[in-house]
Amino acid sequence: AQKVTQAQTEISVVEKEDVTLDCVYETRDTTYYLFWYKQPPSGELVFLIRRNSFDEQNEISGRYSWNFQKSTSSFNFTITASQVVDSAVYFCALLEPFNKFYFGSGTKLNVKP
Amino acid sequence: SQTIHQWPATLVQPVGSPLSLECTVEGTSNPNLYWYRQAAGRGLQLLFYSVGIGQISSEVPQNLSASRPQDRQFILSSKKLLLSDSGFYLCAWSVSLAGNTIYFGEGSWLTVV
Repeated sequence: AQKVTQAQTEISVVEKEDVTLDCVYETRDTTYYLFWYKQPPSGELVFLIRRNSFDEQNEISGRYSWNFQKSTSSFNFTITASQVVDSAVYFCALLEPFNKFYFGSGTKLNVKP
Repeated sequence: SQTIHQWPATLVQPVGSPLSLECTVEGTSNPNLYWYRQAAGRGLQLLFYSVGIGQISSEVPQNLSASRPQDRQFILSSKKLLLSDSGFYLCAWSVSLAGNTIYFGEGSWLTVV
């Protein structure tokens, strides 16, 4: 079974629209960590955020916000007022004990001017 | 600050030829090191990870191998490349403590022809 599911393969929005990228994870551990990474066309994965399983507070960083809900095993990512530079593939990841990372299959976001 | 560098950035190799991708991390000691492959520009597949010199764990059986001859050096190799080995290879590191963020190198594009 998939540890991390990103059901949205590709999303297209027009600039200034808000967009939410979904991430659902599966784990039996009580201690775990969740991440989001951005992969622009250049290829390098850029770290965006890390949350631990004991901190369900939502986080906002500029136009980015993250909604962590343990009850639904979800860690969704919202970009407000999207910009063309936000176009990239976004990966959600789960880190279980012993440093095993599991990545979702990624969501490709296209932001059109 | 810590940096990670991998090379070569791009590589075109014939089927049956050997492969060597190198990765080095600077600014930290005893990192966890990882090799990931991303085929067809999408999902990330963990190939190998290492928690110390000479300690390599393989996640997926294949004709690739990894070695860690020095604390901050990680090498991905193959004796005979297959067409299916084509893809984008990413080296990554994390601090050797549970729950730490994983940081990626620039990636290496491998095309087997």
